[in-house]
Amino acid sequence: EPEVTQTPSHQVTQMGQEVILRCVPISNHLYFYWYRQILGQKVEFLVSFYNNEISEKSEIFDDQFSVERPDGSNFTLKIRSTKLEDSAMYFCASSEGGPLHFGNGTRLTVT
Amino acid sequence: AQSVTQLDSQVPVFEEAPVELRCNYSSSVSVYLFWYVQYPNQGLQLLLKYLSGSTLVESINGFEAEFNKSQTSFHLRKPSVHISDTAEYFCAVSEGGSNYKLTFGKGTLLTVNP
Repeated sequence: EPEVTQTPSHQVTQMGQEVILRCVPISNHLYFYWYRQILGQKVEFLVSFYNNEISEKSEIFDDQFSVERPDGSNFTLKIRSTKLEDSAMYFCASSEGGPLHFGNGTRLTVT
Repeated sequence: AQSVTQLDSQVPVFEEAPVELRCNYSSSVSVYLFWYVQYPNQGLQLLLKYLSGSTLVESINGFEAEFNKSQTSFHLRKPSVHISDTAEYFCAVSEGGSNYKLTFGKGTLLTVNP
């Protein structure tokens, strides 16, 4: 069964550094999402992306965050200047217009 | 705005016992409802969904959930659990349309003991 793949599985970075989290959605899917889960808290919506543009974003998704689909297969989340509170598990998801399929996540640790 | 409440953060049970994981939602519009499961060190996997039609939905591994509109609930049940069912279970709601943006509950950790 096709899968959403995310790399790396774990990323450690220093406060203030830029990070890029990478995702390869399922190939025929058109809708892409990023969610995050801070340890012990809910899975929270960050952003959705369709037709090469952001379709919706949450309050969390401020100017420090950006998403890109640089080619036909990758979907990336960039955090420009990481803060300690950005430490979380970040999940990518994709959909063909139905239920979401999630990747295994990238655990981001900001020190 | 939508919200999802999972009242139980942890549910320990013995193997072969029945289990119910509770989920209540609030929304001003019609919703789609989902249960996702997260096994240790893995991502979120869709367990079952309610989009329309029959209010009782089933998964391939014996779980079922019933959509109750009057009680705004979508509780997950299994009559006899296995140790391999140990995982975190997330209830989620979507307003539907083509953007299935999900609002998640906090999750319930189901621990099945021998």
